Amino acid sequence: EAEVAQSPRYKITEKSQAVAFWCDPISGHATLYWYRQILGQGPELLVQFQDESVVDDSQLPKDRFSAERLKGVDSTLKIQPAELGDSAMYLCASSLIRSYNEQFFGPGTRLTVL
Amino acid sequence: DAKTTQPPSMDCAEGRAANLPCNHSTISGNEYVYWYRQIHSQGPQYIIHGLKNNETNEMASLIITEDRKSSTLILPHATLRDTAVYYCIVQGAQKLVFGQGTRLTINP
Repeated sequence: EAEVAQSPRYKITEKSQAVAFWCDPISGHATLYWYRQILGQGPELLVQFQDESVVDDSQLPKDRFSAERLKGVDSTLKIQPAELGDSAMYLCASSLIRSYNEQFFGPGTRLTVL
Repeated sequence: DAKTTQPPSMDCAEGRAANLPCNHSTISGNEYVYWYRQIHSQGPQYIIHGLKNNETNEMASLIITEDRKSSTLILPHATLRDTAVYYCIVQGAQKLVFGQGTRLTINP
């Protein structure tokens, strides 16, 4: 069964350093999502792509976070510089189409900022 | 997006039916009810969704009241592997907004 791949699974960094997360969605899925999940809370959408275009980044802290999906396939989420409050699980999901369609989530990257 | 209300936690005995309630009194006519679950240290997993009619798949059943203001997710024969956080989401504006969900514990 096709799955969403994410790497790394775990990342420990010091504050003010740069970090990057990678996501490879299920083949053929046009829509890709990045979520952040703080411990004890539900996932929060950071950014949504339709093919290579950003369709929603209203919750992305743009002063330090950036996301790209250059060829409309895999995607990278970057944080620079990392802050202590960025410690969380970063989840990637994909769906076949944008509306009313189930999202398939990857295993996530757990980030710890020291 | 319509807001949902779920109990923070529930317990169920293994082999029994687990019934998870969700209130969504402000749901709009074109908004779907989605259920996802998240097993510890994994990404969320889609379970089921519906608009007006009751729905059933291999994982669960979804019962939506006639006025659509509430719904119930039913796991007919809960197993220990069903222990997870269950999220009820009303999808609007083409994105999922997760609340804190219900932490369901299946007891042997």
